[in-house]
Amino acid sequence: EVQLVQSGAEVKKPGESLKISCKGSGYSFTSYWIGWVRQMPGKGLEWMGIIYPGDSDTRYSPSFQGQVTISADKSISTAYLQWSSLKASDTAMYYCAGSVAATWGFDYWGQGTLVTVSS
Amino acid sequence: QSALTQPASVSGSPGQSITISCTGTSSDVGGYNYVSWYQQHPGKAPKLMIYEVSNRPSGVSNRFSGSKSGNTASLTISGLQAEDEADYYCSSYTSSSTPLFGGGTKLTVL
Repeated sequence: EVQLVQSGAEVKKPGESLKISCKGSGYSFTSYWIGWVRQMPGKGLEWMGIIYPGDSDTRYSPSFQGQVTISADKSISTAYLQWSSLKASDTAMYYCAGSVAATWGFDYWGQGTLVTVSS
Repeated sequence: QSALTQPASVSGSPGQSITISCTGTSSDVGGYNYVSWYQQHPGKAPKLMIYEVSNRPSGVSNRFSGSKSGNTASLTISGLQAEDEADYYCSSYTSSSTPLFGGGTKLTVL
């Protein structure tokens, strides 16, 4: 069974750093794209960027370039999303998603990680 | 890179059909046959309903269908059911080599 399991909810202060994770199982983690999606409270879905764990090819959506870092450790089938200095506006639900059986369709999703940034 | 354009809301009665549009440009929807559609119920992760314009993943009802003409893609839901009430998002591969979502459409089943 294909699964993407994300790390738990986080509460942080502005200026702090954070790295959240997404562990894949049940499929060849290195062979399929993983994407990260932001959903701010009451708002729509936004692609942040994607990574191909096999060769770490990483592509950022223009709005998120320079704001976050996407990485992957294929030895433990885990993708990451990290911030060096959080802002209150980073408060959101973050989903990882995998494109496994559908070309550029993301057919497997993590359960989401809620990040709250508040002083 | 602006979001793809979707109507904010659509509604229909049980048994009816509805169509949600998704308008982009030749750099996204019009340029690639990589349009997908996602359903999201409140508090839940999105679910892939359509990929590559018109393909349904295994397990998705054949009441859901997709199409594309020029820079506009469409999702049609036939035989509306109460459980179809959700938010729907289109997504397209783009010339920036990243995907792009639409703004989302809230479907209300009357």
